[in-house]
Amino acid sequence: EIVMTQSPATLSVSPGERATLSCRASQSVSSKLAWYQQKPGQAPRLLIYGASTRAASIPARFSGSGSGTEFTLTISSLQSEDLAIYYCQQCHDWPLTFGEGTRVEMK
Amino acid sequence: EVQLVESGGGLVQPGGSLRLSCAASGFTFSTYAMSWVRQAPGKGLEWVSTIGAGSDTHYADSINGRFTISRDNSKSTLYLQMNSLRAEDTALYYCAKYVLPGAARSFDIWGRGTMVTVSS
Repeated sequence: EIVMTQSPATLSVSPGERATLSCRASQSVSSKLAWYQQKPGQAPRLLIYGASTRAASIPARFSGSGSGTEFTLTISSLQSEDLAIYYCQQCHDWPLTFGEGTRVEMK
Repeated sequence: EVQLVESGGGLVQPGGSLRLSCAASGFTFSTYAMSWVRQAPGKGLEWVSTIGAGSDTHYADSINGRFTISRDNSKSTLYLQMNSLRAEDTALYYCAKYVLPGAARSFDIWGRGTMVTVSS
């Protein structure tokens, strides 16, 4: 099983600042990685797939990068509506696995 | 509008069974792989199972043959038969659709979930 490790567990960012979230895979997943946003009481929302492709209707301030075992989700200018938990997921091999999440909070 | 609506959750005793359903609308159901993902209270996301457009199936190791995923394309409905339920299966179960018809294995549409509680 591919283990996904996210860091940090909690990220405090001031409004308008850049947020950088990391995700590491225990073995290479090529570019087969997705990022999701989940707000309290809501289903997850797909942000990024294929490591860097924004899903439909996702604002341009969200971007993904990386390949192999190291990935990054960047929120270029944090908005209040971006407060949420963010999960990465490897799409490379069965079983599909998620990271434990990074909580983004306002500083 | 693309939509997934789960049903069938509830309270069940350990060792019991439940059948979850997910009604899909707004897209060509038969051409997309579909999955179940669960989330225990206060915890993260855990992939449970996927069924391909060709009905090939995959399961999480933790399921250990207790669950069966299936689909009825004529009804645009996904199912999860859950047997030998354990307390650790307690979770909100989401139905989710692949972002692309192929092997993208990431999920762009999610239902609101149906809660399964396993307790005596």
